[in-house]
Amino acid sequence: RKEVEQDPGPFNVPEGATVAFNCTYSNSASQSFFWYRQDCRKEPKLLMSVYSSGNEDGRFTAQLNRASQYISLLIRDSKLSDSATYLCVVTDSGGSYIPTFGRGTSLIVHP
Amino acid sequence: NAGVMQNPRHLVRRRGQEARLRCSPMKGHSHVYWYRQLPEEGLKFMVYLQKENIIDESGMPKERFSAEFPKEGPSILRIQQVVRGDSAAYFCASSPGIGGRSGEKLFFGSGTQLSVL
Repeated sequence: RKEVEQDPGPFNVPEGATVAFNCTYSNSASQSFFWYRQDCRKEPKLLMSVYSSGNEDGRFTAQLNRASQYISLLIRDSKLSDSATYLCVVTDSGGSYIPTFGRGTSLIVHP
Repeated sequence: NAGVMQNPRHLVRRRGQEARLRCSPMKGHSHVYWYRQLPEEGLKFMVYLQKENIIDESGMPKERFSAEFPKEGPSILRIQQVVRGDSAAYFCASSPGIGGRSGEKLFFGSGTQLSVL
């Protein structure tokens, strides 16, 4: 199965900071992209989809760069509650459309 | 609306016993995925099922592991003759199905933590 790579971190930032994560994927035919959030080994929860045109949801902005095969997540005005592991997910267009997860990037927001 | 239901939350087995993990997808979802997460690791795909069909089991170990999603009832992940290395969190996710971007969004259950003594 194709690879999805993330910097494991942790990213340690103060409240109010802006932080960005990248995720690279190896299969140029990948079709769909998502960011999930996982708290303390609980179940992952969908944070947002990532579209070619980019998308924004409040303090969160996701971007896709197909040419360089990476997606990014930008968090503005970080809150303590943003502390979590952020998982990049890529679905390939060929085969059976299995969502492949990166190992995740750990974010710690401190007062 | 009930989300994805997994049980049990915690399962303790001795080496050599069988573990049966259950997953009921969200209402209206016909696709089920099983993932395994080892300590300090990411989620690894195991198997993808639709009702009465295994679509992709490329992530399943060749021996001791099996999965089903019968016409009636939950999806079952079965691990026979468990070993200590099977200790992990097993997450089930469901989706509405392929067809547009929404079909690939996964909704996860709270997982089963398997501990093998």
